[in-house]
Amino acid sequence: GQQLNQSPQSMFIQEGEDVSMNCTSSSIFNTWLWYKQDPGEGPVLLIALYKAGELTSNGRLTAQFGITRKDSFLNISASIPSDVGIYFCAGSTGTASKLTFGTGTRLQVTL
Amino acid sequence: SAVISQKPSRDICQRGTSLTIQCQVDSQVTMMFWYRQQPGQSLTLIATANQGSEATYESGFVIDKFPISRPNLTFSTLTVSNMSPEDSSIYLCSVDLGGDRPQHFGDGTRLSIL
Repeated sequence: GQQLNQSPQSMFIQEGEDVSMNCTSSSIFNTWLWYKQDPGEGPVLLIALYKAGELTSNGRLTAQFGITRKDSFLNISASIPSDVGIYFCAGSTGTASKLTFGTGTRLQVTL
Repeated sequence: SAVISQKPSRDICQRGTSLTIQCQVDSQVTMMFWYRQQPGQSLTLIATANQGSEATYESGFVIDKFPISRPNLTFSTLTVSNMSPEDSSIYLCSVDLGGDRPQHFGDGTRLSIL
């Protein structure tokens, strides 16, 4: 099935640095979601976006719904060691609809 | 949000056997979904579990291999049938709480086939 392309695939950053990742699609989505998955756990929802151009924050995390509806961006400010994990974007054509997941961005933070 | 419990959390199975995974939610939900996450990969939707009717399967997944039950609004099962090493994956249940609330996931079942 279709997958969304995420970049970068992985990144090593130092504690305190800001992080940016993005997610692109060839199709239009009406909802963009960002999840984080820690080892041995299921994905946990970070941010949900419902409107093109929308910019939403959750603590140190900020995400944007691209104006074309074909992309989304996630920024993490002042990274800390517990930010380590895999970040997935997911798109949906409706609020009660199945999700298409991105390929994932693996984040590793060094002290 | 909802509390989603999956059982078992992990299992090691023999080739050719079948395993049924359970997903229990602490509130009634309209939509339940089953995903597969192969080692080091992203999540792929297997099917939507419909209450009172057959599950809706995605391309590449068939009912004979992944039969699904949804007897009520809080429970679903996924069976992985006639397992082979290629079925070694994490199987995840998710629920859609409706309205503007997006899907939430259980912690998954880690399945290894020898």
